Amino acid sequence: EAGVAQSPRYKIIEKRQSVAFWCNPISGHATLYWYQQILGQGPKLLIQFQNNGVVDDSQLPKDRFSAERLKGVDSTLKIQPAKLEDSAVYLCASRAIAGSTDTQYFGPGTRLTVL
Amino acid sequence: AQSVAQPEDQVKVAEGNPLTVKCTYSVSGNPYLFWYVQYPNRGLQFLLKYITGDNLVKGSYGFEAEFNKSQTSFHLKKPSALVSDSALYFCAVRDSGYGQNFVFGPGTRLSVLP
Repeated sequence: EAGVAQSPRYKIIEKRQSVAFWCNPISGHATLYWYQQILGQGPKLLIQFQNNGVVDDSQLPKDRFSAERLKGVDSTLKIQPAKLEDSAVYLCASRAIAGSTDTQYFGPGTRLTVL
Repeated sequence: AQSVAQPEDQVKVAEGNPLTVKCTYSVSGNPYLFWYVQYPNRGLQFLLKYITGDNLVKGSYGFEAEFNKSQTSFHLKKPSALVSDSALYFCAVRDSGYGQNFVFGPGTRLSVLP
């Protein structure tokens, strides 16, 4: 079974620029998560999708962050404009069924550096 | 709201010795608890989980964790540490609300010394 795929693996941009990250979850997984992991901290949930609908985006800074999962499979996370404090690893994870005891599986992450 | 604490930023053990990485949690309902490991430049890898049943949970790579409801703890253990176990370990609790989201602890860096 293929794992969660993410691209790019690394991205360096200047502040005020925009950036987008892509995630392809494990086939058949209905639930998709985006996390932000700042160096030295645990992952913090940004947004959760169930199929193509948003379940929880309460911690997403909506003035600059957006995410979509139009066809209920792949997802993109965008930051526009980026700030220095957005430097972090952005992790995508997927899970088979929300509400079940199934585990979530993580992709390798995208390391973003904002200069 | 759910929360997770990992009281030690770093744990150092000698190879071959037993290791323990501590985790305490706070939840309003039944706890669903998880341990993940993160190697450098890698995503989080699932180690084990407690949902219900036996308090001692066995997972990947020889790790196990002991659930203690009265102490609200879920400590990760391994009888004999390997140098290759050196990594960042995260404890997580799953939200019992509608979204069933995961809340992660701050992480504990395990260093196994040869």
